[in-house]
Amino acid sequence: EAGVAQSPRYKIIEKRQSVAFWCNPISGHATLYWYQQILGQGPKLLIQFQNNGVVDDSQLPKDRFSAERLKGVDSTLKIQPAKLEDSAVYLCASSSGLGYEQYFGPGTRLTVT
Amino acid sequence: GENVEQHPSTLSVQEGDSAVIKCTYSDSASNYFPWYKQELGKGPQLIIDIRSNVGEKKDQRIAVTLNKTAKHFSLHITETQPEDSAVYFCAAIDYKLSFGAGTTVTVRA
Repeated sequence: EAGVAQSPRYKIIEKRQSVAFWCNPISGHATLYWYQQILGQGPKLLIQFQNNGVVDDSQLPKDRFSAERLKGVDSTLKIQPAKLEDSAVYLCASSSGLGYEQYFGPGTRLTVT
Repeated sequence: GENVEQHPSTLSVQEGDSAVIKCTYSDSASNYFPWYKQELGKGPQLIIDIRSNVGEKKDQRIAVTLNKTAKHFSLHITETQPEDSAVYFCAAIDYKLSFGAGTTVTVRA
């Protein structure tokens, strides 16, 4: 079974630029999550989708971050404009349902200069 | 929301010895407690989990215990090997997954 796929793996941008990350969850997983992991910390949930609907986006900085999950499969996370403090690893995870085991992708390491 | 605290932040053990990581949580409604292992440059990997109706679970060299009354849970790794070196995260879920800050485990050969 293929795992969670993410791209790109690395991205370097200047502050005020925009960036987008892509995630393809495990086949059949209805729930998809985006996490932000700052160096030396545990992942922090940004947004959670159930199929193509948002379940929780309370921690998403909506003035600059947006996410969508069209057709209930792939998802994209966008940052516009980026700030220095957005430098982190952005992890995508998926699960078969709410409250079940979450499986993570390799992450995208974003550096904002 | 849930607050998960994890100790110690770093742990160095001799190969073959045991390693123990402890976590506490704040929300008594939390009912699922996974443990993740994260190697450099990789995403967290689920290694074991326990639900609130179970007190202990074991999988080969790894075991987890849960004390709901005290609101703490622990990861035990026995007969540690160099490949066990990684960052380990505990987590708890009430309505969303909340992670501890992580424990960097180094197994000395």
